[in-house]
Amino acid sequence: DAMVIQNPRYQVTQFGKPVTLSCSQTLNHNVMYWYQQKSSQAPKLLFHYYDKDFNNEADTPDNFQSRRPNTSFCFLDIRSPGLGDAAMYLCATSIHTPLAPYNEQFFGPGTRLTVL
Amino acid sequence: AQKITQTQPGMFVQEKEAVTLDCTYDTSDQSYGLFWYKQPSSGEMIFLIYQGSYDEQNATEGRYSLNFQKARKSANLVISASQLGDSAMYFCAMREAGYSGAGSYQLTFGKGTKLSVIP
Repeated sequence: DAMVIQNPRYQVTQFGKPVTLSCSQTLNHNVMYWYQQKSSQAPKLLFHYYDKDFNNEADTPDNFQSRRPNTSFCFLDIRSPGLGDAAMYLCATSIHTPLAPYNEQFFGPGTRLTVL
Repeated sequence: AQKITQTQPGMFVQEKEAVTLDCTYDTSDQSYGLFWYKQPSSGEMIFLIYQGSYDEQNATEGRYSLNFQKARKSANLVISASQLGDSAMYFCAMREAGYSGAGSYQLTFGKGTKLSVIP
């Protein structure tokens, strides 16, 4: 089945120790997104890629970076995690065309990050 | 002002009964899309149903239907014949297309409604 895969599902890191979360998709979607979701809150968009074009949200901290080496993979790098970065990180994909801009986003299962 | 408002932090429904989850939205765009997602305790966001602003018919997907009232700017989700597996957080979201660029792909989520189905 076509899907969005996130690894690992649970990640524990130490304060200040860089961590990378990964996302892959078999849907061949041209847009990939990273969301941060803290407990009992709505998902918050960090950034997205439209093909290779990176689009950062204005309030995303510089501590968060992303890479998309090809259509299928996208990575979230947290350079120096703080306690406030503990959250669920959701990857999503969608296919976007000028004629069909409202296609739904398909989400992965998420990676729950704990910062010690 | 919030773009998506879900006024019910929590809802209870008896198994096999129908339930309506409220969602109101705010946009000045004529063209937009409305989505509902389900998030079980496992964390995955599951797409349920979509309504386009120009769609004349209310969207339906199995037991899910969207009660779209454009003049009132509401897009309520109706779940018929509730099941225990429906217990989850439900998020209403909107995508606007009034401008080009990165923002046009962004989903704006409401704060969610936690639905609990009682046996």
